[in-house]
Amino acid sequence: DAGVIQSPRHEVTEMGQEVTLRCKPISGHNSLFWYRQTMMRGLELLIYFNNNVPIDDSGMPEDRFSAKMPNASFSTLKIQPSEPRDSAVYFCASSLNPLPTPNQPQHFGDGTRLSIL
Amino acid sequence: AQSVTQLGSHVSVSEGALVLLRCNYSSSVPPYLFWYVQYPNQGLQLLLKYTTGATLVKGINGFEAEFKKSETSFHLTKPSAHMSDAAEYFCAVSRGGYSGGSNYKLTFGKGTLLTVNP
Repeated sequence: DAGVIQSPRHEVTEMGQEVTLRCKPISGHNSLFWYRQTMMRGLELLIYFNNNVPIDDSGMPEDRFSAKMPNASFSTLKIQPSEPRDSAVYFCASSLNPLPTPNQPQHFGDGTRLSIL
Repeated sequence: AQSVTQLGSHVSVSEGALVLLRCNYSSSVPPYLFWYVQYPNQGLQLLLKYTTGATLVKGINGFEAEFKKSETSFHLTKPSAHMSDAAEYFCAVSRGGYSGGSNYKLTFGKGTLLTVNP
């Protein structure tokens, strides 16, 4: 079975540009999570969707960040305008159940490595 | 609230030596516990997971972890390190099956980078 698919794998862009990261969760999973990984702060949960509805966006850094999930098989994370401090690896994860249980853990994509110059 | 502390951001062992990666957690309710591994330029892969009732958990690639409630620990071990084990390892905790609050959240430690020397 295909895992969580993220695109692009790498993105390099200049400050001020709009960046869109994409995620396709595992088919049948109804929970989707966006994380950001940096050396300083480790893995941080940005936003959580359940059945395509944003449940918790308290981790979104500021208004420049937005996320959507128009259907069960696609989600985007957008940064507009981008800044150098947004440089990080962004992961998408999905699970069958919102509760990360031993039998229904979160499955992670390979991430998007974002560099803002 | 939950938290995870991984002691040692970098652990270096020789090939064939014992691997011990430490994880202590804090949780207001009995937690579910996980270890994930991240190879370079890849996402996190589930290594093993804690299921209530079994304090010693076996995972993939010869790793295992022991849940010690009295010590609030979930240390990861492997008897003999292999070069292919070089990666970053993350311990994570969730609220388990308890309802209410942000029980969907998986709280991660900062990670431990494992280096295996030939």
